[in-house]
Amino acid sequence: DTGVSQDPRHKITKRGQNVTFRCDPISEHNRLYWYRQTLGQGPEFLTYFQNEAQLEKSRLLSDRFSAERPKGSFSTLEIQRTEQGDSAMYLCASSLVDSIYTDTQYFGPGTRLTVL
Amino acid sequence: AQSVTQPDIHITVSEGASLELRCNYSYGATPYLFWYVQSPGQGLQLLLKYFSGDTLVQGIKGFEAEFKRSQSSFNLRKPSVHWSDAAEYFCAVAKRRLTGGGNKLTFGTGTQLKVEL
Repeated sequence: DTGVSQDPRHKITKRGQNVTFRCDPISEHNRLYWYRQTLGQGPEFLTYFQNEAQLEKSRLLSDRFSAERPKGSFSTLEIQRTEQGDSAMYLCASSLVDSIYTDTQYFGPGTRLTVL
Repeated sequence: AQSVTQPDIHITVSEGASLELRCNYSYGATPYLFWYVQSPGQGLQLLLKYFSGDTLVQGIKGFEAEFKRSQSSFNLRKPSVHWSDAAEYFCAVAKRRLTGGGNKLTFGTGTQLKVEL
């Protein structure tokens, strides 16, 4: 089991550009979560998938943000027309929900986005 | 809405000393409770979790936490701190669900631990 991986680890972009991040969850995990973490804060929930279905989105996820998990495996998070306020660490987590609806989330190393 | 408070932003302890990191939550019912650790530039590593049962839970790296319902607390402890424990520690909660649905985590703002040699 190789754990959750994220790519790229760092991304520097100019304001107004589009960026896309990828997350590969632990194999066989059916849930995938995205969080955003700004400096000095704890992570904040953005969205989650159960298999390929996106079931919940935070109000933090503006219409410039879109996430997909096309085959229920890896996921992508795209930010269009980036703004300086989007600079943050984007964290992905995966979990395997059990029959009593508890899941333990395992996090990837994150993608640090810097918008100039 | 549920919230998590970690009242100590920074804590400094000497190597070998005991450690307690505080976590209080605000929620209508007992949530699921977690402690994660984050080293600089890294993701979050799960230390331990509480779903139900024994209120004293053991985790990795010699950490333990005690759930106290009356105080809405889930404090993290370690009897003897090692220099490698220096990191940021996050307490998190998730809604207890009786039916299916996501378990999104709500995190505290973290406690930065410094270990003096």
